[in-house]
Amino acid sequence: DIQMTQSPSSLSTSVGDRVTITCQASQDISNHLNWYQQKPGKAPKLLIYHASNLETGVPSRFSGSGSGTDFTFTISSLQPEDIATYYCQQYDPLPLFTFGPGTKVDIK
Amino acid sequence: QVQLQESGPGLVKPSETLSLTCAVSGDSISDGHYWGWIRQPPGKGLEWIGSFYHSGTTYYNPSLKSRVTISVDTSKNQFSLKLRSLTAADTAVYYCARHGYTFGLGYYFDYWGQGILVTVSS
Repeated sequence: DIQMTQSPSSLSTSVGDRVTITCQASQDISNHLNWYQQKPGKAPKLLIYHASNLETGVPSRFSGSGSGTDFTFTISSLQPEDIATYYCQQYDPLPLFTFGPGTKVDIK
Repeated sequence: QVQLQESGPGLVKPSETLSLTCAVSGDSISDGHYWGWIRQPPGKGLEWIGSFYHSGTTYYNPSLKSRVTISVDTSKNQFSLKLRSLTAADTAVYYCARHGYTFGLGYYFDYWGQGILVTVSS
């Protein structure tokens, strides 16, 4: 089974700061990696698919990169409404889907 | 606009079977997407339970496969989850979701229900 790790598990930073979250797969998953945002009491929301593709309607301050085993999710300028937990999710091989443990983002 | 809505009991006893239904509107479950179930224990992360393709093929998380059945009712445009032999560890918010797909750009969960909290307790 492919294991996913995320770091950090939580972070606290200021509005306007750049936020970077990493996700690592235990083996090569090509670009089969998605990113979701989950606010308290809400369902997850798709932000990035296939490692670097921005979902329609998602602000351009969100971005993703990487391939193989190492992936990065970035918020270029943190906004108050970005307070949430962020999850990576892989789907290699299909049709098995595994989520990372999540990164909680908070404002200082 | 695609919408999904979970329904079912909020409290189930240990050793019993959980039955949940996901009603879909704005899309047909017969029209070529995967549809699935994901759960989230309180304060914890997300776990994929299983999915089905419109052809009727089902896929399950190996860790839950022996206890899970996903079925489809195309006449009502809904699908269901049955999880057997419940324990307290199955207490979670259960989500149904659609797998979006873009050729060459893979699969992703693009539409989600609001989730339903299921507590396993006597």
